[in-house]
Amino acid sequence: EAQVTQNPRYLITVTGKKLTVTCSQNMNHEYMSWYRQDPGLGLRQIYYSMNVEVTDKGDVPEGYKVSRKEKRNFPLILESPSPNQTSLYFCASSLSPGGGWNEQFFGPGTRLTVL
Amino acid sequence: KNEVEQSPQNLTAQEGEFITINCSYSVGISALHWLQQHPGGGIVSLFMLSSGKKKHGRLIATINIQEKHSSLHITASHPRDSAVYICAVMPLDRGSTLGRLYFGRGTQLTVWP
Repeated sequence: EAQVTQNPRYLITVTGKKLTVTCSQNMNHEYMSWYRQDPGLGLRQIYYSMNVEVTDKGDVPEGYKVSRKEKRNFPLILESPSPNQTSLYFCASSLSPGGGWNEQFFGPGTRLTVL
Repeated sequence: KNEVEQSPQNLTAQEGEFITINCSYSVGISALHWLQQHPGGGIVSLFMLSSGKKKHGRLIATINIQEKHSSLHITASHPRDSAVYICAVMPLDRGSTLGRLYFGRGTQLTVWP
């Protein structure tokens, strides 16, 4: 089954404790992206990747890191989480390098709480 | 500054009504997406448009590139259509923006039986 998976689905952590949210897709998509969703603000792009070893900043990259060492995986790293990173996070992938010319497939979301 | 504006923010309808959700954007675009977010939180892609009109079942999406406007229509609405509908645009490639996606804040639709 074609899908985007994220782990964990729910996470409660404390300020400053490094964490990684994994994202994996099995569709051989070139484009992958991370978004956060906050009440009243909607979805905002954090980082995206056009292909292996190619990543770029979105609207809200501060406090986040990403890597794209292989096509299927695009982990989101919070080196020192802070309470303002409490949010619902979505990973998505798309076939085209442009991202906009093909349907985006979304992961199920990761609800992160930073105390 | 929000590049993508949606209206209305909230919409309540009676089952069977015709629904229209609007999306206006301020940048030149290469494509526009309509997304649906279920009450459980999952997001699915409904349409990707670069021109004209697309139809899938009871859903119709149109786009007017010159006016920088898109509409999502739902005919014969049903309670299962209750969800948040989100418009997102991919700006024209200016070198630095290829891969970027700008989102509207969503329209919460509730359809009553």
